[in-house]
Formats: sequence, C-alpha cells, structure tokens
Amino acid sequence: ELKVEQNPLFLSMQEGKNYTIYCNYSTTSDRLYWYRQDPGKSLESLFVLLSNGAVKQEGRLMASLDTKARLSTLHITAAVHDLSATYFCAVDMRRDDKIIFGKGTRLHILP
Amino acid sequence: DTGVSQDPRHKITKRGQNVTFRCDPISEHNRLYWYRQTLGQGPEFLTYFQNEAQLEKSRLLSDRFSAERPKGSFSTLEIQRTEQGDSAMYLCASSEYQGGPEAFFGQGTRLTVV
Repeated sequence: ELKVEQNPLFLSMQEGKNYTIYCNYSTTSDRLYWYRQDPGKSLESLFVLLSNGAVKQEGRLMASLDTKARLSTLHITAAVHDLSATYFCAVDMRRDDKIIFGKGTRLHILP
Repeated sequence: DTGVSQDPRHKITKRGQNVTFRCDPISEHNRLYWYRQTLGQGPEFLTYFQNEAQLEKSRLLSDRFSAERPKGSFSTLEIQRTEQGDSAMYLCASSEYQGGPEAFFGQGTRLTVV
C-alpha cells in the first residue's frame, strides 16, 4: 500500500528565513504533486513533478523530485507571511492513478 | 468552465438522515475523485471514476456510502444513516486521463452531523 509521509507536520518560522519540507513515499511512483490549502478552503495545485530530477519553481517556492530516493522537497526561500498555509504532497502510481496524500505541513510564518 | 463545482457548500444534518452531494467536474476531464478530509488531516481517498465506471473504492467507504457518475459527467456521493463520525469536508477533484496528470479540486462540501 502506498504511504506518503511529510515532515515536519508543523513549522513556525520567521519572515525572511529559508526552510525545506520533506515528502517521502513508500513505493515507485510516476507523479508527485504539491498542493496548498488555506484554512477552510480547498486545495490549490502548486507543482506537478513527473520525472526523476524534476525541479520546478514558482516565486519563493521550489519543488524537486528524486524518484530513486522516493523523496520530494519543497523549499521556501525568504519566507513571507502570505505563504502561511498547509502544504500537502501527494503521489500516484500509474498502475491505478489513485492519488494518495500526506498528512500535510502546517506552515506558520511570523512577521 | 470555471473549474470543479460542488454543491452544497455546507450541510448540517441530524444523525440517521441521508445526505447527497453533487460534483460537477471540469467538462473535458474524464477522471473524477472523491476524498474526505477531517480537521488537521490530509485528504483521504474514497473512490474514483473513469468516465462512468467506478474503478476503486476505499475501505473507508462503508456500505452506507455510495457514489455514482451515471453519464460520465457529474457525480453524486450519498451517505445513508449518517453518523457523527461522518462529519468532514468532502472534496471532489477531476483530471484528464491522458497527458494531464494534474487533479483540480472543488471547494468541497462541509458536512456536520448533529
């Protein structure tokens, strides 16, 4: 059974600092997703990573994928308060295309 | 088409009542997913459809839950004899099967069972 683990589950950080969220998954996967969720809202797609070594960047967020290590990272550069949210990684397997989510990382950025 | 649409946005029901939620996916998307999310947790997979065919159901989906997608367009999720443990946000997502792996989520239906 595919399992997706994120760490940390909660992160409080100062504005201007850098940090990385980690996502490990248990079996071979073809696709990895990062989503953002604001309180009481639905999920917003941030990145889709499709191959080993894939790196995508949008603003202060950069996501990467290492399929051999079954690891993805979401790096935050010079954090700003607006990035406060919960970030989820999710993985699917081409075999059945079911998308499985991690528990999420609640990011709180202090002004 | 403005995205995945779910109705209602909020539902409060008494324990034991039946409820039905509707999801309208993005029009060209043939994959449709249902998830349940409780407070502080990630979305949990419930079931998904490829066109009108229901391809998989999670063990979380007890006999009280049923989902349909009769014409491969909109989908409904029905919960019979609701229990307090059913209180959650029910999320629907859709994606293209070929060449478009990204799943887009609706705003969700928040169910409260009292």
